[in-house]
Amino acid sequence: GDSVTQMEGPVTLSEEAFLTINCTYTATGYPSLFWYVQYPGEGLQLLLKATKADDKGSNKGFEATYRKETTSFHLEKGSVQVSDSAVYFCALTRGGADGLTFGKGTHLIIQP
Amino acid sequence: DVKVTQSSRYLVKRTGEKVFLECVQDMDHENMFWYRQDPGLGLRLIYFSYDVKMKEKGDIPEGYSVSREKKERFSLILESASTNQTSMYLCASKTSGVYTGELFFGEGSRLTVL
Repeated sequence: GDSVTQMEGPVTLSEEAFLTINCTYTATGYPSLFWYVQYPGEGLQLLLKATKADDKGSNKGFEATYRKETTSFHLEKGSVQVSDSAVYFCALTRGGADGLTFGKGTHLIIQP
Repeated sequence: DVKVTQSSRYLVKRTGEKVFLECVQDMDHENMFWYRQDPGLGLRLIYFSYDVKMKEKGDIPEGYSVSREKKERFSLILESASTNQTSMYLCASKTSGVYTGELFFGEGSRLTVL
């Protein structure tokens, strides 16, 4: 079946550092890929998405590129802020009525 | 904006009690989902529904049931709560026929079973 693997953390960085959170997936066909973010005490919010190979999703300074050849969708940000501290989930779907398959989440802590 | 509302943010129940978790969405979405979130395990799908009165088991349906009598409302039921059902429960919805398959989530219901 489908699966998503991501680094679990916690990942601790200093403010203004460069961020990479790795995500790789296993799925047949051409899934859509997502990054969701969960701030403390809240539900999940969509951060960015990509629906086909070589697409780049971007939002709030975060970027991720859909790499079919390496089955990856790594999340990057050039300069993180304390307010980026949250749990980040990589996910995929092959569409239809099915829900998303999620990775286990990466807890990111940004220190001032 | 799409809004998914979960009726209770925090609940404390006793072992053996019947528990209802309610979820309402206001965007006329066909598909609704219940996930369970636990540290180190991520999100796991309990049940989903693609239409009124329709339901499908997810990955961990044991100990749970669901009800979808109206399109906007999807309820998760714990017939006899147990301590291993202490968790964060997340409801989500999405429309059909959209290739991106984006889910919209509620804020979660944190259930503690004593």
